[in-house]
Amino acid sequence: EAGVTQFPSHSVIEKGQTVTLRCDPISGHDNLYWYRRVMGKEIKFLLHFVKESKQDESGMPNNRFLAERTGGTYSTLKVQPAELEDSGVYFCASSRNDGTSGANVLTFGAGSRLTVL
Amino acid sequence: SQKIEQNSEALNIQEGKTATLTCNYTNYSPAYLQWYRQDPGRGPVFLLLIRENEKEKRKERLKVTFDTTLKQSLFHITASQPADSATYLCALVPGGSYIPTFGRGTSLIVHP
Repeated sequence: EAGVTQFPSHSVIEKGQTVTLRCDPISGHDNLYWYRRVMGKEIKFLLHFVKESKQDESGMPNNRFLAERTGGTYSTLKVQPAELEDSGVYFCASSRNDGTSGANVLTFGAGSRLTVL
Repeated sequence: SQKIEQNSEALNIQEGKTATLTCNYTNYSPAYLQWYRQDPGRGPVFLLLIRENEKEKRKERLKVTFDTTLKQSLFHITASQPADSATYLCALVPGGSYIPTFGRGTSLIVHP
């Protein structure tokens, strides 16, 4: 099966600009997650979709970040306007919903590196 | 506050030896603990999962232990190879949650 695909792999933008990251999960995976890794820190949870619904967005830093998942398929994460501290690697992951909480193995994409200048 | 601690210093070992990586946590009650491998420029890749009622899990050269009293998991790679060089992340999943919380990871370097 095809893996999780993220685009772009690297984006360099100026402070104040807008960037949209895209994630295509594995087909049939209901769960979709966004995580972010800032330099030197751990991978931090941003939000979780089940199909097209946001289940948990407690990790979203602020209202400059907007995530959507159209029709329960691909997802986008928009940062508008971007700030310097938004720089990092944004990972998308997906998993099946096997009905058992916790037995949840995530398949990650390669990440989208965002550099805000 | 909740913490997941993995040794931030790289672990350097000689090929053929056993690598042991540690994951300690505080103020968590994980139902599951997962280990992932991450190579530079790539996303994490799932390796093993161990449940709270399991003491040990094995897969080929990998072994994971889970001690909920000590709040610690150990990850072992036996007969290590240079190809095992990577960053290894532990992730905790609380009961009733779908969301893994990750540690910072430990870099393993296996020298030929």
